[in-house]
Amino acid sequence: GQNIDQPTEMTATEGAIVQINCTYQTSGFNGLFWYQQHAGEAPTFLSYNVLDGLEEKGRFSSFLSRSKGYSYLLLKELQMKDSASYLCAANRDDKIIFGKGTRLHILP
Amino acid sequence: ETGVTQTPRHLVMGMTNKKSLKCEQHLGHNAMYWYKQSAKKPLELMFVYSLEERVENNSVPSRFSPECPNSSHLFLHLHTLQPEDSALYLCASSQVASGSGPYEQYFGPGTRLTVT
Repeated sequence: GQNIDQPTEMTATEGAIVQINCTYQTSGFNGLFWYQQHAGEAPTFLSYNVLDGLEEKGRFSSFLSRSKGYSYLLLKELQMKDSASYLCAANRDDKIIFGKGTRLHILP
Repeated sequence: ETGVTQTPRHLVMGMTNKKSLKCEQHLGHNAMYWYKQSAKKPLELMFVYSLEERVENNSVPSRFSPECPNSSHLFLHLHTLQPEDSALYLCASSQVASGSGPYEQYFGPGTRLTVT
């Protein structure tokens, strides 16, 4: 996906914390999206980071380091309904480029 | 309710058929997108319409033909498809501000297409 890299799969336990990393090419970079996609459903928007730092939205937080070309999505107090794919997408030269997504499995 | 609807939700067609996918957005956005999602591949951007003008066409084969009659409606016309075109086709819309690029996209539920 034009150098948007994220792990293919991750497994975590209900109630725990998980961090999903994403790296991207920095040329033409404007911002970084995170989307959640449940199996058989459309992606839904989670966050958009433009500036460096951590942004928190309830149980989900997203971090960006523009100089390192690095972002992560942090999910706290995991619930079974968080089992889904998490898509990292970079806004580069005003085009949105998606990674392959990270499939997150939650164990009871 | 995502505000973006797509019909049909499922479509099976032969390689010689002609069909159309429809997308409608009720969010007042000024840009619409077609994506293809195949198994184990990233979302592939196919077409972008901004202010009803096509602004991007990512080397998509001519057997896929988009149409955007107004800012709320988007079509994807299909003809003489190949089995490898079987995939989930997602429509999305967003607001685009001049010089600021696109804001977050809102996706429709997709059309699951099978080409036999």
